[in-house]
Amino acid sequence: ILNVEQSPQSLHVQEGDSTNFTCSFPSSNFYALHWYRWETAKSPEALFVMTLNGDEKKKGRISATLNTKEGYSYLYIKGSQPEDSATYLCAFSNYGGATNKLIFGTGTLLAVQP
Amino acid sequence: NAGVTQTPKFQVLKTGQSMTLQCAQDMNHNSMYWYRQDPGMGLRLIYYSASEGTTDKGEVPNGYNVSRLNKREFSLRLESAAPSQTSVYFCASTKGVSYTDTQYFGPGTRLTVL
Repeated sequence: ILNVEQSPQSLHVQEGDSTNFTCSFPSSNFYALHWYRWETAKSPEALFVMTLNGDEKKKGRISATLNTKEGYSYLYIKGSQPEDSATYLCAFSNYGGATNKLIFGTGTLLAVQP
Repeated sequence: NAGVTQTPKFQVLKTGQSMTLQCAQDMNHNSMYWYRQDPGMGLRLIYYSASEGTTDKGEVPNGYNVSRLNKREFSLRLESAAPSQTSVYFCASTKGVSYTDTQYFGPGTRLTVL
């Protein structure tokens, strides 16, 4: 059974703090790693898709790195703002299927206090 | 564009009742998915449809049936609802079947089975 683990489960930071969290996934037969941002009462929205070992992606104050050999990805938020409060999901897909089937982690809930 | 829409938003059923959750997308996507979200667990794939006319089981298909009515619509049916099916259900779609295709999610249906 393939498992995706995210840590920490939740995080409370002050406005202006920088923070990071981890997504761990099986390193064998890796194909892609997705990050989604999920605000309360809304739908998950895509942040990044990464495929190559060493990949780094950036969108504004949010960035992500990928290590496929050891099976982890980090998501960084620089200078957190209250509007960054959300659950951050990662999802992994591995080669072996015929379609885009993702295995999701349980998410890291980020709360940014003004 | 409305993106991915789901109806209803909320539903309460009694054990043994049946119902159909509706999902539609207006992005001309080929693939569609049904997930359930339970506390402490990641999004779990129930069924998916790689293209119009095809459907396949995901991780947790028992107790559900699906219909890919046309390219736009993908419905999920509970024939005889059970309390274990109390969950939030999300529909999603992707342009194709590539592992890098972003999944676009609907707003969710919150289902309670008494």
